[in-house]
Amino acid sequence: EAGVVQSPRYKIIEKKQPVAFWCNPISGHNTLYWYLQNLGQGPELLIRYENEEAVDDSQLPKDRFSAERLKGVDSTLKIQPAELGDSAVYLCASSYAQELNEQFFGPGTRLTVL
Amino acid sequence: QKEVEQDPGPLSVPEGAIVSLNCTYSNSAFQYFMWYRQYSRKGPELLMYTYSSGNKEDGRFTAQVDKSSKYISLFIRDSQPSDSATYLCAMQGSGGSNYKLTFGKGTLLTVNP
Repeated sequence: EAGVVQSPRYKIIEKKQPVAFWCNPISGHNTLYWYLQNLGQGPELLIRYENEEAVDDSQLPKDRFSAERLKGVDSTLKIQPAELGDSAVYLCASSYAQELNEQFFGPGTRLTVL
Repeated sequence: QKEVEQDPGPLSVPEGAIVSLNCTYSNSAFQYFMWYRQYSRKGPELLMYTYSSGNKEDGRFTAQVDKSSKYISLFIRDSQPSDSATYLCAMQGSGGSNYKLTFGKGTLLTVNP
């Protein structure tokens, strides 16, 4: 079974430029998450999707961040414009609705904003 | 105070040592207690979990939960260099709030051959 796929793995951009990250979850997983992981920190939830619907985006900085999950499968997270403080690893995870919320993580996209 | 506190280490031990990793938490609603392992440049992967209080053993790994003290531990026996990674505790409620995982900062462990 293929795991969660993310691309690109690494991205270096200048500040104020836009950037987009892509995620393909595990087949059959209806819930998709985007997390932000700063160096030396645990993952912090940005947004959660149940199928196509964003059911928790309370931690997403909506002035510059946006996300979409068309057709309830792949998802894209965008930052426009990027700031220096956005340098971090962006993790995508997926899970199947059950009592134990085991989340399967992708390898992440490491973003560096110069 | 953060909901989940974890000693960030780093922790360096010789091969074969017993390793103890710990987290404390403040939210009494947490019911599932998990340990994720994250290798460098990889995403976290679930190592083991415990529901409510008690112990759980899986090979060289033992997870303990003491809900009365709001304290959880992960023990690694006969540690190996391949155990070198960051260990993240994570906690989850049950029922309608079960979607959200709250992570600790992670403890970086190095096992030296």
